[in-house]
Amino acid sequence: GDSVTQMEGPVTLSEEAFLTINCTYTATGYPSLFWYVQYPGEGLQLLLKATKADDKGSNKGFEATYRKETTSFHLEKGSVQVSDSAVYFCALSERTGRRALTFGSGTRLQVQP
Amino acid sequence: SQTIHQWPATLVQPVGSPLSLECTVEGTSNPNLYWYRQAAGRGLQLLFYSVGIGQISSEVPQNLSASRPQDRQFILSSKKLLLSDSGFYLCARRGANTEAFFGQGTRLTVV
Repeated sequence: GDSVTQMEGPVTLSEEAFLTINCTYTATGYPSLFWYVQYPGEGLQLLLKATKADDKGSNKGFEATYRKETTSFHLEKGSVQVSDSAVYFCALSERTGRRALTFGSGTRLQVQP
Repeated sequence: SQTIHQWPATLVQPVGSPLSLECTVEGTSNPNLYWYRQAAGRGLQLLFYSVGIGQISSEVPQNLSASRPQDRQFILSSKKLLLSDSGFYLCARRGANTEAFFGQGTRLTVV
């Protein structure tokens, strides 16, 4: 079945550092790919998405490119802030059947001032 | 706007007690709805999904059940809670572009 693999955390960075969180996937067909962010005690918020190969999703300074050849969707940000501290989830969406999301295990990001 | 309401936000229940978590959706009709559970420090596991009133599919065998009595209402239940039912429960609806939109979640602690 479909699966998503993320780098394990926590990832600890200083403010203004460059961020990369790796995400690779296994899926039949051509899924849509997403990054979600979860702040403490809250639900998940959609951060960005890409629906086909070579698409680049971007939002709030975060970017991720749908790489079909490497089955990857790595999250990047050029300069992180303390307010970016959260748990980040990579996910893929089935196009048929349940059309539910399959999530990675999440990566906790801690940004220090 | 389309909004998902979940309640309660937190819940502490003794082992063996019943459970009812409610999720309601505003601003859309006939949505695909989902219940996910997030165990401490882990990813999200799909528990149930529903494509319409009275239509429930279970993803994993467990102590929980779900119902959809109305188009925009999705309920998660248990007759007798177990310690292993503790977790963060999230209701979600499917968006137009296959994404999911989530409620704020219910943190359940079974003691």
